[in-house]
This record gives sequence, C-alpha cells and structure tokens, in this order.
Amino acid sequence: QPVLTQPPSSSASPGESARLTCTLPSDINVGSYSIWWFRQKPGSPPRYLLYYNSDSDKGQGSGVPSRFSGSKDASANAGVLLISGLQSEDEADYYCMIWPTTGWVFGGGTKLTVL
Amino acid sequence: EVQLVESGGGVVKPGGSLRLSCEGSGFPFRDYTMNWVRRAPGKGLEWVSSISSGSTYKQYADSVKGRFIISRDNARDSLYLQMNSLRAEDTAVYYCARQWNFWGKGTTVTVSP
Repeated sequence: QPVLTQPPSSSASPGESARLTCTLPSDINVGSYSIWWFRQKPGSPPRYLLYYNSDSDKGQGSGVPSRFSGSKDASANAGVLLISGLQSEDEADYYCMIWPTTGWVFGGGTKLTVL
Repeated sequence: EVQLVESGGGVVKPGGSLRLSCEGSGFPFRDYTMNWVRRAPGKGLEWVSSISSGSTYKQYADSVKGRFIISRDNARDSLYLQMNSLRAEDTAVYYCARQWNFWGKGTTVTVSP
C-alpha cells in the first residue's frame, strides 16, 4: 500500500489561508487519483469535506463551505486542501485519502492550529 | 435524518473475538457501499474494510486480512465486522461510514490482558 505523506502540523491565523498538502510516493502519479479530504475534531467522528480529481471532477461535502477547496500540485506530486478565511472552528486534524484499487489509504494527518 | 449507529465495542483479551454492528437509518442502506475505519489512540485514521452494496466485493487492509470479516444484512439495514484473533494493536475507535460522506460516532474496542 502506498504511503501518503502529510505534514504533522500546520498553523495560521484567523482570516488567513491554510494550504495542507498530501504527497504521494514517487512511484504513483497524483494525476491518476482522486484525493479525498476529511476533518476530525477531538471527540467527534471524521467529517467528509471534499474530493478532487480535476476541475471537472470534484465534489463538496454536504454543508461544507466553499472556502474549502481542493487541487493538485503536479510538480510536487501532491493533493492540496486550501482553507481560506480561517476560523477558530477550523482547528482540527485533516486527513487525505486515495484508492489505489487494493484498498483505501489515509495519510497520516495534519493537525491544523488556528493561532 | 441520516444516522449510523455503531455498537458491540468493549474490552477483550488478546486472541479474543468481538462483533461490531452498524445500523443505518434515514437512507436506502442497500444502495450504498459501506466501510469500517479505525483510529487507534494517538494515531491517525486507518481504513479497515469495505463492502459493496450487494456484498459482491469485500476488501480488507493487510493489517486485518484473515482475522476480520465484513458482512451486511440489507434487510436489517445493518453492517457488521467480525473481529477474531484480536491483538493489542487493534485497540481503537471503530467507525462505520456510508461510502465516504457520512460517518457514525464510533464504538471503542480495547484489547488488553
């Protein structure tokens, strides 16, 4: 199973943007995968945010505001979750996920702190 | 209102077994692929197993293959995870998820002597 690499932590101030990355191993191409993103707060179940494959193939979770968006950085072989207009309630763990056919794979998660 | 309610968690000794259940309501359960995901203390999310709507396709993480069995009863709107030969590293909160867009609150499994 491939390993998806997420920075363990990230921080930003309210009102700023946070760019969270999910790097795929070099032997698989981010262009071939949809990237799914989830958020989990302490004591709560994970919440589906969105998935992104391309600008014409993407989806937003029910009730997820448009300030959450996905993209890919081909040069870094990574999926990207951009959160604009950060709010204190965005402080949480964020996970990416892909399906390389042999089973779903989660990244290790990024703890986002809103300073 | 969509609901997923897990049950069956508890404390079990290494080598023991548990059967988790997840009951769905508020949506046509039989139409959806269902998943089990866990989160061990101090660790991240780990996919455990998935089952297609008609039970035709089942997949397992390598860490549980040969020990866990996923199943469903669409007549009862229920998903199951039979967990055998449990190990300390199986200690986690177990979540069921409808495809990926709705999750239950989870049930806790503790494997300890």
